Amino acid sequence: GAGVSQSPSNKVTEKGKDVELRCDPISGHTALYWYRQSLGQGLEFLIYFQGNSAPDKSGLPSDRFSAERTGGSVSTLTIQRTQQEDSAVYLCASSLAPAMNTEAFFGQGTRLTVV
Amino acid sequence: GQQLNQSPQSMFIQEGEDVSMNCTSSSIFNTWLWYKQDPGEGPVLLIALYKAGELTSNGRLTAQFGITRKDSFLNISASIPSDVGIYFCAGQLGAQKLVFGQGTRLTINP
Repeated sequence: GAGVSQSPSNKVTEKGKDVELRCDPISGHTALYWYRQSLGQGLEFLIYFQGNSAPDKSGLPSDRFSAERTGGSVSTLTIQRTQQEDSAVYLCASSLAPAMNTEAFFGQGTRLTVV
Repeated sequence: GQQLNQSPQSMFIQEGEDVSMNCTSSSIFNTWLWYKQDPGEGPVLLIALYKAGELTSNGRLTAQFGITRKDSFLNISASIPSDVGIYFCAGQLGAQKLVFGQGTRLTINP
């Protein structure tokens, strides 16, 4: 597709269950980011993938959070044993190789509600 | 690590007024980006800046890349109701990750 695609757009899960959120970046984009945004708040950095480099996981809030990027394209963010404080919008963004001075484009986000 | 300070955090203005917001950094960037986020949507890129001192316009929007490479501002002229939203600045150095400001929430009174 032409833009960053995220699925599902909405997810309601029970506390303690695991969830997987998917991001399809723009074709050819080597950089991929995950952010979390609580209601009315700013963008909280979670993880950054850049090409074949080791991902920057410095923003992951706990070991319940993990992310993979298979084949340098699709990424999956997994949250294990979800808690109510995990409820937020999870945003994905992608860009061409950053050293080439390019912009990052965002998907529409996945709204996660833990009940 | 790099940090961005975006101000003001919120603005309440009358329709037709001009708006100015800025971001400052503790270290240099070689790219500055400005985004707008509408409720329920992902942030949308407004303006990208790549050179120190660069001044770029996009309609009623004007942004500048500070000469020190540690700051940027965004101006909106003659605000209209659809300008309401959250504006984010972001900076990047080389292949390091994008760093975002905390956002400026713009509210317009008709």
